Amino acid sequence: NAGVTQTPKFRILKIGQSMTLQCTQDMNHNYMYWYRQDPGMGLKLIYYSVGAGITDKGEVPNGYNVSRSTTEDFPLRLELAAPSQTSVYFCASTPGTQNTEAFFGQGTRLTVV
Amino acid sequence: AQSVSQHNHHVILSEAASLELGCNYSYGGTVNLFWYVQYPGQHLQLLLKYFSGDPLVKGIKGFEAEFIKSKFSFNLRKPSVQWSDTAEYFCAVNPGNNRKLIWGLGTSLAVNP
Repeated sequence: NAGVTQTPKFRILKIGQSMTLQCTQDMNHNYMYWYRQDPGMGLKLIYYSVGAGITDKGEVPNGYNVSRSTTEDFPLRLELAAPSQTSVYFCASTPGTQNTEAFFGQGTRLTVV
Repeated sequence: AQSVSQHNHHVILSEAASLELGCNYSYGGTVNLFWYVQYPGQHLQLLLKYFSGDPLVKGIKGFEAEFIKSKFSFNLRKPSVQWSDTAEYFCAVNPGNNRKLIWGLGTSLAVNP
């Protein structure tokens, strides 16, 4: 039962570098989300997708990009890393029907120095 | 705008004390309600959920929550906390057919042995 898998678990980036956070789910869920979590700030939605080929911005999309070429994968791209992007990133998925909860990945702790 | 308020940001209790964490939301229609728990260094896990029916819902590890529609509230309770309940607790609301969960800022609970 893999569920939602995120890689890597930890990463240190230098300012201006780029990277992709990987997220894959094996539950055939239509909806997928990327959140960032900062101390005392709760979860902020970065981007979400309601199906392959469809993505939309959340509350804090600046500095990030996503794609959804398959149902399973929803990578998050940071093009020019900035210290403000130091955070813990969580990917989540839901089937997309009502009355279901979100399933979360283990998180990626990113530090930009 | 739709929002979720968690009244207590930090709670410190001794073992065996009773717990109640407040959650209020701003949305007048049908809602799905959730409490998630995040143990130190881990991802978010579902604690309990309310979709319809009995407004008193029971979750894992002895937690329960009561949905009071007239008060737009979904407070989390546990009669006797344990040291292992030390975690961050998040209330989340899915208003109507919204594709996105609305999250509270979280409550950090520390239980002293």
